[in-house]
Amino acid sequence: GQQLNQSPQSMFIQEGEDVSMNCTSSSIFNTWLWYKQDPGEGPVLLIALYKAGELTSNGRLTAQFGITRKDSFLNISASIPSDVGIYFCAATNTGTASKLTFGTGTRLQVTL
Amino acid sequence: KAGVTQTPRYLIKTRGQQVTLSCSPISGHRSVSWYQQTPGQGLQFLFEYFSETQRNKGNFPGRFSGRQFSNSRSEMNVSTLELGDSALYLCASSLEAVVSYEQYFGPGTRLTVT
Repeated sequence: GQQLNQSPQSMFIQEGEDVSMNCTSSSIFNTWLWYKQDPGEGPVLLIALYKAGELTSNGRLTAQFGITRKDSFLNISASIPSDVGIYFCAATNTGTASKLTFGTGTRLQVTL
Repeated sequence: KAGVTQTPRYLIKTRGQQVTLSCSPISGHRSVSWYQQTPGQGLQFLFEYFSETQRNKGNFPGRFSGRQFSNSRSEMNVSTLELGDSALYLCASSLEAVVSYEQYFGPGTRLTVT
């Protein structure tokens, strides 16, 4: 099935550093979402984006909906150990709103 | 408000058997979607139910089926299990408001087929 291209695949960073990851698609989407998944759990919604160019924050997390509607970016500022996990982007369109297409995931590991 | 609940959390089945998984959405949510998560294919959409009707379907064989009850609870069934069906099966619910496509996931059911 289709997946969005997410990079990097994994990151190993030090506590306090900022993190950036992105997600690209060959297709246009009108809604982008970012999720975090911890081991043995389901993905947890972090941020939802509905308009091209939109920049939205949730605490230390900031995400942007690319102007071409084919990409999105997630930044995490001043990372802490509990940021460890796998981050997924997801996208969908009106009419098939429930049918999320997911990215391949970015595994984040944080050291003290 | 309670989150999405899924039962059972873990399941071991033998090839050829069938299995039924259950999902209870967040109270007030009317849309329930199912996803399969595997290391190789990632998260793949199975189907979505809204008001007891299947509204969207992914690219999975007919062995995968589901249904939704009047209280929005949903079940999915996999018949004639294959080894490749081993996966984490996730259920997600959404409010289905006009502009909200946000889905909230349950913890998943880990299915192992031997």
